[in-house]
Amino acid sequence: LAKTTQPISMDSYEGQEVNITCSHNNIATNDYITWYQQFPSQGPRFIIQGYKTKVTNEVASLFIPADRKSSTLSLPRVSLSDTAVYYCLVGGDNQGGKLIFGQGTELSVKP
Amino acid sequence: DVKVTQSSRYLVKRTGEKVFLECVQDMDHENMFWYRQDPGLGLRLIYFSYDVKMKEKGDIPEGYSVSREKKERFSLILESASTNQTSMYLCATGQDVGYNEQFFGPGTRLTVL
Repeated sequence: LAKTTQPISMDSYEGQEVNITCSHNNIATNDYITWYQQFPSQGPRFIIQGYKTKVTNEVASLFIPADRKSSTLSLPRVSLSDTAVYYCLVGGDNQGGKLIFGQGTELSVKP
Repeated sequence: DVKVTQSSRYLVKRTGEKVFLECVQDMDHENMFWYRQDPGLGLRLIYFSYDVKMKEKGDIPEGYSVSREKKERFSLILESASTNQTSMYLCATGQDVGYNEQFFGPGTRLTVL
């Protein structure tokens, strides 16, 4: 199973764009890249998923370079309510639906 | 909107007690999962189920069992609670066997004294 590495913590200010990069050097051909967000005392919440190039939704963008060995979650113009832990996950259909969570990145947004 | 509910937000039990954690979902999802989350260890999968009466061990099944008698309900059972099972327990559901979005419940913070 592909292991992911991401920064333990990041600080930002309201209104800034935040980019969180995740390394997954041994990603398999059939693996997807997924990001979850978790607020304190809540369960994780799906943000975005991609396979290659760029994916954008109403919450975030996900940039995946051609070699797929890393990915970057981009949060545009963060607010205080974006303070949370962000998890990068890599996996595919052969995992039987199992998610492998790493340590995540604790994002702190300051006023 | 998918709704995943867990029977309790906070629970305090004594060592040796049998503990039941219940999870109910309202979206007819086939897959259901139980995780525990501990500081520094992240989320770890305990058990999961693809269908009624089916169960599979996750990464840390020791000391736990599960029951899925109905599609919408997945129970986690601590046969004899121990202090090292003090943790946040999270239930999740997913639509099918593929690598798809999982929907998490709010969690149950269990303290075993």
